[in-house]
Amino acid sequence: AAGVIQSPRHLIKEKRETATLKCYPIPRHDTVYWYQQGPGQDPQFLISFYEKMQSDKGSIPDRFSAQQFSDYHSELNMSSLELGDSALYFCASRGTSGGRREYTQYFGPGTRLTVL
Amino acid sequence: DQQVKQNSPSLSVQEGRISILNCDYTNSMFDYFLWYKKYPAEGPTFLISISSIKDKNEDGRFTVFLNKSAKHLSLHIVPSQPGDSAVYFCAASVSKAQKLVFGQGTRLTINP
Repeated sequence: AAGVIQSPRHLIKEKRETATLKCYPIPRHDTVYWYQQGPGQDPQFLISFYEKMQSDKGSIPDRFSAQQFSDYHSELNMSSLELGDSALYFCASRGTSGGRREYTQYFGPGTRLTVL
Repeated sequence: DQQVKQNSPSLSVQEGRISILNCDYTNSMFDYFLWYKKYPAEGPTFLISISSIKDKNEDGRFTVFLNKSAKHLSLHIVPSQPGDSAVYFCAASVSKAQKLVFGQGTRLTINP
């Protein structure tokens, strides 16, 4: 079965640079969530989108922005990167399966961002 | 403020025995709970969920128990297998459609 795809899998940036992380949800999933997992920490919710509209916002810095496109993929844009932004960034998607609305969030493999 | 807590950072169990992972929560608004399993360099994999209207949900070797009055849930794995060795995260949400709040994770090691 198709899973959530995230790209790139690894990204190395310098301080003050920008980064763009991409997420391709499972087909027929219309809701995307972004989570950040710092070293030794649990995943923390950043932001979510439903049908291309922002549906919820968590502890996302103002330097970060995100959007969901017409094909339901989502991009997380991060500017003025700081050392503390080094983390695993997970995308999860949720939607319809077999004609039924599902509530389980299915996670991608993550993007490991390292800021030097 | 950690709303979902997994107080055991690690657990070691012999192959074939029962593994019990515990999770406590403080937010009484949570009504949907999930367990995820995570291997290194991979994303969390969904295992099993339970709604607050139930106190037990079973799927194969995995059973989740929910005690609402104690704000406690547990995941039972029977029998434990070497492939079960991973980090297990408990997660909760206020309604099924909302963001997940995760616990800190428990590293389960199954010994042959």
